[in-house]
Amino acid sequence: EVQLVQSGAEVKKPGESLKISCNGSEYRFETYWIGWVRQMPGKGLEWMGIINPSNSDTTYSPSFEGQVTISADKSIKTAYLQWSSLKASDTAMYYCARGNKFPGMNAFDIWGLGTMVTVSS
Amino acid sequence: QSALTQPVSVSGSPGQSITISCIGTNTDIGGYKYVSWYQLKPGKAPKLVIFEVSIRPSGVSNRFSGSKSGNTASLAISGLRAEDEADYYCSSYRTSSAALFVFGTGTKVTVL
Repeated sequence: EVQLVQSGAEVKKPGESLKISCNGSEYRFETYWIGWVRQMPGKGLEWMGIINPSNSDTTYSPSFEGQVTISADKSIKTAYLQWSSLKASDTAMYYCARGNKFPGMNAFDIWGLGTMVTVSS
Repeated sequence: QSALTQPVSVSGSPGQSITISCIGTNTDIGGYKYVSWYQLKPGKAPKLVIFEVSIRPSGVSNRFSGSKSGNTASLAISGLRAEDEADYYCSSYRTSSAALFVFGTGTKVTVL
């Protein structure tokens, strides 16, 4: 079964760094875009950015550029989302999702269960 | 990034049909045939139910259908079932200085 397995929930303090992961299985990881989507508590979905795992080409939403870093290691079929200095406002559920077509994706066809990140002093 | 506009909630009785609207602009919904719809249930991975305006992925019930007219996309669910109760989000490709893709504000579907 094609799936994306995300790392577990995190509780961090403001100012700390964090890297969460998304591992793809049962498909050719490097031939599909991986995207990240944020859902703050009680709020809607927000598109953060996408990465091409084959060459790490990345496109960010302007709202998230400079705030997070998206990366991937195709050798272990894993994509990452990282913060260098967390803020309380980063508290949210973060989903990774697979682009449905390559090179021109237009939807996310497989999603992970999400990683809940809580930032609190 | 300004989101696409959806109704906050839609409800219907089992067996009825409902429609969820998704209003955008000519730089997203109106300009492309790249509208998708997602179903979100607590504790489960989000599920793609429609892509490219009206195409159902394999395994999605034919009770779900999508359409578009101008800057407005719609998701219809016929023969409503208890299992359809969920949050639904539309999404579209967008060309502007904003994000490459944009989501809707989300609609809570309640089966009465």
